[in-house]
Amino acid sequence: EAGVAQSPRYKIIEKRQSVAFWCNPISGHATLYWYQQILGQGPKLLIQFQNNGVVDDSQLPKDRFSAERLKGVDSTLKIQPAKLEDSAVYLCASSRGSGATGELFFGEGSRLTVL
Amino acid sequence: GENVEQHPSTLSVQEGDSAVIKCTYSDSASNYFPWYKQELGKGPQLIIDIRSNVGEKKDQRIAVTLNKTAKHFSLHITETQPEDSAVYFCAAMGTGRRALTFGSGTRLQVQP
Repeated sequence: EAGVAQSPRYKIIEKRQSVAFWCNPISGHATLYWYQQILGQGPKLLIQFQNNGVVDDSQLPKDRFSAERLKGVDSTLKIQPAKLEDSAVYLCASSRGSGATGELFFGEGSRLTVL
Repeated sequence: GENVEQHPSTLSVQEGDSAVIKCTYSDSASNYFPWYKQELGKGPQLIIDIRSNVGEKKDQRIAVTLNKTAKHFSLHITETQPEDSAVYFCAAMGTGRRALTFGSGTRLQVQP
């Protein structure tokens, strides 16, 4: 079974520029998550989708971050404009069911550096 | 919302020794507590989990204990090996949300 795919693996941009990350979850997984992991910290949830609907985006900085999951499969996370504090690894994860008490399968992440 | 605190932030042990990592959580209604292992350049991977109706769970050299009264849970690794070296995260599922809240991580180094 193929794992969660993410791209790009690395991205370097200057502040105020925009960036987009792509995620392809494990086939058949209904729930998709984007987590932000700042160096030395645990992952922090940005947004959770179930199929193509948003379950939780309470911690997403909506003035600069946006995410979509078209057709309930792939997802894109966008940052515009980027700030220095957005430097982090952006992890995509998926789970089979609704996400309640089930295993999360993580991708390898997209490392963003904002200069 | 849920808040998870994890200690220690770093832990160094000799190969063959045991390692213990502790976490506390704030939401008394939380009912699911997984542990994830993250190797360098990789995403976190589930190693063991425990639900609130169980006090202890073992899987070979790894065990997790849960004290709901005190709102803390711990990861125990026995007979540590160099390949156990990684960052370990605890997490909890709080009420009102269907996503995990993670601790800040523990970097475990097993010295050969």
